[in-house]
Amino acid sequence: QTVVTQEPSLTVSPGGTVSLTCACTTGPVTSGSYPNWFQQEPGQAPRSLIYSTNNKHSWTPARFSGSLLGGKAALTLSAVQPEDEADYYCLLSCDGAWVFGGGTKLTVL
Amino acid sequence: EVQLVESGGGLVQPGGSLRLSCEASGFTFSSYWMNWVRQAPGKGLEWVANIKEDESEKGYVDSVKGRFTTSRDNAKNSLYLQMNSLRAEDTAVYYCVRGTPSPGLDYWGQGILVTVSS
Repeated sequence: QTVVTQEPSLTVSPGGTVSLTCACTTGPVTSGSYPNWFQQEPGQAPRSLIYSTNNKHSWTPARFSGSLLGGKAALTLSAVQPEDEADYYCLLSCDGAWVFGGGTKLTVL
Repeated sequence: EVQLVESGGGLVQPGGSLRLSCEASGFTFSSYWMNWVRQAPGKGLEWVANIKEDESEKGYVDSVKGRFTTSRDNAKNSLYLQMNSLRAEDTAVYYCVRGTPSPGLDYWGQGILVTVSS
């Protein structure tokens, strides 16, 4: 069974840069895994940020970017704002099914 | 404006059934894959099922195969999730989510709570 792993928690200072990663237990993440990234604030529905590795939605702030890095998918936040404190989830396509990572709790401190 | 509104949630006993609905507006519903994603209380997101524009393809997470069925009515701009043989571990907020043309998910509904308990 495919398991997608993310850092459970990360802390970043306001104005700093942080990268969240997403790995797959069955092998390297590639563009064919179509990595997606989502942000969820407490009590809210998730919001889509990135699709197909590095494509932004019209509402995605410019400081968010997606990439592939060392066999993993990565979400990089630059010039982090206090309002970026949230849970972040990645999503990968694995053998025709979607699998979410366990999520990363990002603290801005 | 794209809107997805779920309904049909509530409290059901173990072994019971429930049918969720999702009414879509603001886009051409018949042109998009649609998905169901759930989130158990205090837990992460779990993809549950998806369905192609014309219902010719459907996919399910292993834990719901044989118990859940997704369907759609393009004339009514509606997505459905029939849930049978419900278990306590199916307790979650269920989200209706639109698929993107490049594989992915974009617009989310507000979610509907399903509680399986005696």
